Amino acid sequence: QKEVEQDPGPLSVPEGAIVSLNCTYSNSAFQYFMWYRQYSRKGPELLMYTYSSGNKEDGRFTAQVDKSSKYISLFIRDSQPSDSATYLCAMNEELETSGSRLTFGEGTQLTVNP
Amino acid sequence: GAVVSQHPSWVICKSGTSVKIECRSLDFQATTMFWYRQFPKQSLMLMATSNEGSKATYEQGVEKDKFLINHASLTLSTLTVTSAHPEDSSFYICSAAPWGKNIQYFGAGTRLSVL
Repeated sequence: QKEVEQDPGPLSVPEGAIVSLNCTYSNSAFQYFMWYRQYSRKGPELLMYTYSSGNKEDGRFTAQVDKSSKYISLFIRDSQPSDSATYLCAMNEELETSGSRLTFGEGTQLTVNP
Repeated sequence: GAVVSQHPSWVICKSGTSVKIECRSLDFQATTMFWYRQFPKQSLMLMATSNEGSKATYEQGVEKDKFLINHASLTLSTLTVTSAHPEDSSFYICSAAPWGKNIQYFGAGTRLSVL
């Protein structure tokens, strides 16, 4: 069983829709949770970073973490064609030094149709 | 802030030659840098972790002598693909973690094509 499960999609939505992306994980030691957006043939871009359970909002993006259920979500409001990309969830453990390795989900390919 | 520059973005080389890829953190010091490989429609596969001034830690199955990593300063790491072969053709991405933070910021990636 993978440590992080993410539905690879593809997911296709009309412009303006609310998008919900999700990941589940099995390692209870994961403490830091990230969402990255990756356009084709580009490196991943950090969108959201959360440490504790709860919600974190940044513009049209909301990240949600439920540690009791080992479930994280990313919501995109008023989706735009420019949001079309692959979204990767990533997480890592609390370590004493910086730069601990990330465990990634497979990535969900999202297309927002105009 | 938190910009990571990776160069070159695309390189084509002949089989048997070596290729060097640079990764720089432009506005922060990176205690740790990571090198990934990504195949089409797949997630990132960690190749190695490097800390400034020490030897890189390679993941199982990654050949140390083929993929040479040097992390000479807090802002620069290099990956050299030695004696490249067509099967080494892939998308290579670096990331950097600022000191004291558990986040990774990624470069734009390097597309390597070996003829």
